[in-house]
Parts: sequence; C-alpha cells; structure tokens
Amino acid sequence: GAGVSQSPSNKVTEKGKDVELRCDPISGHTALYWYRQSLGQGLEFLIYFQGNSAPDKSGLPSDRFSAERTGGSVSTLTIQRTQQEDSAVYLCASSLGLDRGLGRAEAFFGQGTRLTVV
Amino acid sequence: AQSVTQLDSQVPVFEEAPVELRCNYSSSVSVYLFWYVQYPNQGLQLLLKYLSGSTLVKGINGFEAEFNKSQTSFHLRKPSVHISDTAEYFCAVSPSGNTPLVFGKGTRLSVIA
Repeated sequence: GAGVSQSPSNKVTEKGKDVELRCDPISGHTALYWYRQSLGQGLEFLIYFQGNSAPDKSGLPSDRFSAERTGGSVSTLTIQRTQQEDSAVYLCASSLGLDRGLGRAEAFFGQGTRLTVV
Repeated sequence: AQSVTQLDSQVPVFEEAPVELRCNYSSSVSVYLFWYVQYPNQGLQLLLKYLSGSTLVKGINGFEAEFNKSQTSFHLRKPSVHISDTAEYFCAVSPSGNTPLVFGKGTRLSVIA
C-alpha cells in the first residue's frame, strides 16, 4: 500500500482479555518496528523485525507482550491478559532495511491503534 | 545505550515569532538524526533528517535543523511560526541505521495567536 496501515484504529477491551493489533507495512520494506506512546512518555520501543533475522525483543515490557511477522510483511502485536497500564497508542513503523544505503534508517509510521483497557 | 534528550517538554510561542526546539543525543559514533511531528490525533510525520553531508538540513513547512557533532545536538528552528505548527515534535536518533530509532520524550509546541 501507499503507507503503513494499522488496524483497528481504536480498541476498547476489558482488563484480563487478550488483544491483537495488526500492522501492514509499506510494500518492499524489510524492517518493521512497534512502539508504544503513553501520555507524557514519548515513544517507547517494543520490538524490531529485520528481514529473516531474529527479532529484537528487548523493548517488550513483559512476557504478556509478543509479536510476529508473517511472510516478511504483516505483523501482529499480541497483548495477553491486558492490564490498565497497557492503555496507550501503539504505533507501527517500517523502513527499507539494512541493505538500502542511507535510506535504511528512515521510518514511516502508521496512524496507530489507541488501546483502552477498562 | 543511546538516549535523546529534549530539554523542553512544552514551548509556548506567539504567532510569527521564531522558535527553537532543543535536542541533544548521547553517542560517540556516527548517527542518523530525525525530527518527526505529530499533529493532534494523527500519526508521526517526518519533518527532516540528517544522514550525511551539510550540517544544516531543511525540512517541510519552513523548518530547519543544524547538526552539531561537537555538542551532540540537533536543534530544530523556524523563523516565524504559524498557528498550524501547534503539534508535538519528536527528535530521534538511529545509530548507523542498524537499530531502531530512539526517541526523545517530545516537545509540545503551542502557537498563540
């Protein structure tokens, strides 16, 4: 597609339920990132996929969070047993990736999924 | 670990006045530097970037930033702001482009009529 697409745009869930957030990166982008944006906290890195390499999961806040990327394209971020502190905007971004010279670092962001845990 | 410091969490400024949003980063190696803007209820949009070459970088909407390696700074400037510039601005660094962007906490620019 023309840009990074995220769905749903808004999600309200009950505490303890599992949620799945979807990200469709720009076609041809081999790198994909998930960030979390909380009020007053800026953007917190969660996980990074680069091609077929093992993902960098160093930013995931707990084992309730996981993500996968199927076929090198679409990614799903899953939060199990949601807690109220998980409420935030979850942003996905993609970039050209490691083998594309100076353009590799520039990330393009989706509109985000606003998650509210009640 | 990389870190980015945006020294001002909020900057109020009158319309048509100049503005500078400050950004400092911690790194002793080459980095790529970015400014993103987030308008209310929207995603992040790239404002400008420094990858190499001239240290003065011009971006969209009349913004520019200067890379200062000795001071590890990448301050964002605009000579005359408009009401429509009201938004959150994020500075970000990518060490050599091989790792994800590290963001500052953001600066909320409020332009007052």
